[in-house]
Amino acid sequence: ILNVEQSPQSLHVQEGDSTNFTCSFPSSNFYALHWYRWETAKSPEALFVMTLNGDEKKKGRISATLNTKEGYSYLYIKGSQPEDSATYLCAFIDPTSGTYKYIFGTGTRLKVLA
Amino acid sequence: DGGITQSPKYLFRKEGQNVTLSCEQNLNHDAMYWYRQDPGQGLRLIYYSQIVNDFQKGDIAEGYSVSREKKESFPLTVTSAQKNPTAFYLCASREGIAKNIQYFGAGTRLSVL
Repeated sequence: ILNVEQSPQSLHVQEGDSTNFTCSFPSSNFYALHWYRWETAKSPEALFVMTLNGDEKKKGRISATLNTKEGYSYLYIKGSQPEDSATYLCAFIDPTSGTYKYIFGTGTRLKVLA
Repeated sequence: DGGITQSPKYLFRKEGQNVTLSCEQNLNHDAMYWYRQDPGQGLRLIYYSQIVNDFQKGDIAEGYSVSREKKESFPLTVTSAQKNPTAFYLCASREGIAKNIQYFGAGTRLSVL
């Protein structure tokens, strides 16, 4: 059974702080990794599609990097704002399943304090 | 507005009862998915369908059933055989290749009375 882990589980930061989270996944047979932001009472929304080793993606103050050889991806938030408060999920696409299904991490819950 | 609609938002099930969760999408996506979330765990795949009139079991299909009679609809029935149905259920859809993102509904929270 493939294991995808996220750390930390939860995080409280002050407004203006920068922060980062980790998603660890199996380093063999990498296909793709997706990052999602999930705000309370809303649908998860895709942030990034990571496919190549060394990928760096950016959307506003949020960026992500990918290291497929060592099996991790980092998500960075620069200058956190209260509206960044959400759960951040990574989803590893398993190419060995034959159906390319998602294996989700448990998420990192971020709370930004004003 | 294109998207995925799940209903109801909250659902209560009595012992021995089957309940059906609705999932409708107007994104014209071929693939649809049902996930379950329990506290402290990642989303787990219950069932998925890659095309109309076809579906496959995911990792935790026992006690659940689905149908896919129309492209836009993928209802999930939680049967009385599911002994621990209390959870949050998310429906998703995806277009095209596996690297494409999935689009999610807002979820249904199911509780047992």
